[in-house]
Amino acid sequence: QVRLQESGPGLVKPSETLSLTCSVSVDSIRDYFWSWIRQPPGKGLEWIGNIYYSAGAFYTPSLKSRVTMSIDTSKNQLSLRLISVTAADTAVYFCARDGVPNAFDIWGQGTMVTVSS
Amino acid sequence: QSALTQPPSASGSPGQSVTISCTGTSSDVGGYNYVSWYQQHPDKAPKLLLYEVSKRPSGVPDRFSGSKSGNTASLTVSGLQAEDEADYYCSSYAGSNNKVFGGGTKLTVL
Repeated sequence: QVRLQESGPGLVKPSETLSLTCSVSVDSIRDYFWSWIRQPPGKGLEWIGNIYYSAGAFYTPSLKSRVTMSIDTSKNQLSLRLISVTAADTAVYFCARDGVPNAFDIWGQGTMVTVSS
Repeated sequence: QSALTQPPSASGSPGQSVTISCTGTSSDVGGYNYVSWYQQHPDKAPKLLLYEVSKRPSGVPDRFSGSKSGNTASLTVSGLQAEDEADYYCSSYAGSNNKVFGGGTKLTVL
């Protein structure tokens, strides 16, 4: 059973950089695309982008200028970096496996990130 | 990229059926058979219910079914149960390695 676990600071100051890690429990990180998805408090889901170890990352147009995803196959970890954050970036951030075509079959529990001074 | 349009709320009594719509454009829902649906209970991660419009992952009851016509996809929940009360989100491939979600529908079991 694959498990995903997000981790990172729960509080980030405005204009600084949000950095999160997602640990994948099994050695299958090379077999799938992996996505980051976020959900502002009380609001809907937003796909941030996805990454495949040999194809690179793809980002949603609205965040493309600020986001970077990476993958460490030796550690079975995904990383998300979002620069120049504002209060609008306050959200629960999920990592998820793109395990079936263009859908997310396994999700982490999510980690709440608040942008505030 | 605009979010897909879902009704903010839906409701039904136990045992009844309810259908939730998800409207996009020819660039997303209408252009690809890559619509998926997710169920999210409060403070939980979303759970995949359907992918490729109507395919169910292992373990998802056949009370959940999906369809698509033109730019609108639909999720039908038959034989409503108390535990079906949750938020439901659709998602679609939108071309150019992009994906988009709907705004979500809160389903209330009366």
